[in-house]
Amino acid sequence: ETGVTQTPRHLVMGMTNKKSLKCEQHLGHNAMYWYKQSAKKPLELMFVYSLEERVENNSVPSRFSPECPNSSHLFLHLHTLQPEDSALYLCASSQDFGRGYGYTFGSGTRLTVV
Amino acid sequence: GQQVMQIPQYQHVQEGEDFTTYCNSSTTLSNIQWYKQRPGGHPVFLIQLVKSGEVKKQKRLTFQFGEAKKNSSLHITATQTTDVGTYFCAGPNTPLVFGKGTRLSVIA
Repeated sequence: ETGVTQTPRHLVMGMTNKKSLKCEQHLGHNAMYWYKQSAKKPLELMFVYSLEERVENNSVPSRFSPECPNSSHLFLHLHTLQPEDSALYLCASSQDFGRGYGYTFGSGTRLTVV
Repeated sequence: GQQVMQIPQYQHVQEGEDFTTYCNSSTTLSNIQWYKQRPGGHPVFLIQLVKSGEVKKQKRLTFQFGEAKKNSSLHITATQTTDVGTYFCAGPNTPLVFGKGTRLSVIA
């Protein structure tokens, strides 16, 4: 248990489905992140939230929609995904949004789009 | 943004051999972080280096930050099968930018 919990661990969805990924951190951190990890690609930053406000959006397609209702919870809403969106989606948190803080990652959601 | 390049991409070693991965930048880094991801797992924070020429040790792992703060290395002495995984360097931007990682295989 890392202190960052992601659900579900595995998800298979069709291209017309709508689903949501959930992330919860129990560390009292103020910043939360969504990363995408595909085979043979480096970790790609998707979204950043600091104190519940989105501070960065890395040109992510609109079929991915983040939500941060409070500093402990982060969601990634998915709709009309493509097969190339299949990947490991990792949530992370850090004490604050600034240099010098290590990130704590969740176990990830393995997403397969069929 | 600032990019960090890691080499090698893959490394296969016999158990008991040493292993080193390198992280390089064309510009000065204010800090560098290292992470380990086991197969099927998630990245786990190992350490952060901040000072020029800094050397830190964690058991068999030795982390170094170059004098010019443009490169860093992770050295594992006498590898064990538990060292298998991908080692990433990251930094120094906010948010973190990760290198592509070095995947270590250890042959027993």
